Amino acid sequence: AQSVAQPEDQVNVAEGNPLTVKCTYSVSGNPYLFWYVQYPNRGLQFLLKYITGDNLVKGSYGFEAEFNKSQTSFHLKKPSALVSDSALYFCAVRPRRGNNRLAFGKGNQVVVIP
Amino acid sequence: DAGVTQSPTHLIKTRGQQVTLRCSPKSGHDTVSWYQQALGQGPQFIFQYYEEEERQRGNFPDRFSGHQFPNYSSELNVNALLLGDSALYLCASSLGTGSGGGETQYFGPGTRLLVL
Repeated sequence: AQSVAQPEDQVNVAEGNPLTVKCTYSVSGNPYLFWYVQYPNRGLQFLLKYITGDNLVKGSYGFEAEFNKSQTSFHLKKPSALVSDSALYFCAVRPRRGNNRLAFGKGNQVVVIP
Repeated sequence: DAGVTQSPTHLIKTRGQQVTLRCSPKSGHDTVSWYQQALGQGPQFIFQYYEEEERQRGNFPDRFSGHQFPNYSSELNVNALLLGDSALYLCASSLGTGSGGGETQYFGPGTRLLVL
């Protein structure tokens, strides 16, 4: 079975400061890893994914994430947070073999303070 | 390029009733997955359709059923509604069954169902 842990309920950061949202996962074999963002009363919007290759993945809106196999982590980062980055962020994992279902974490609320 | 669309946006039903939710995938996509997102939780996988067949199923009862049409659009049906079925229902589309691929699932805006 695959699972994702997002240990912090809420992340508060001042505008212009670096933003990090943490994610650890459990899956059989090597994973596909994804980050999505959800704004109020909206669906999930894709940010980035790790498939293979370079452990640092760059995505939309200046976000990036680093895959760390030894720590089974896939933390989301942004060098300089904007107020508009305030939203709910979800990490998701899928195994390379066996099924196509995404397993999501419970999400992290990010609040960027002006 | 139209993204994933879902209808209706909101729905209010009473316990015991039946509901049908609809999804049109992103242009060029042939696979549709359905997720349930309860308040304050991450989405939970319900099932996935490809080539008009249910290919995978999550831990949901048989009250939840679906269908995929030749144009790749899909319906989610829930019978004998319970209060606990109140949630945001998300449809996601992708290309291919994904038995080993890293294709991205793109989500629609969701249908918010309230069961009274």
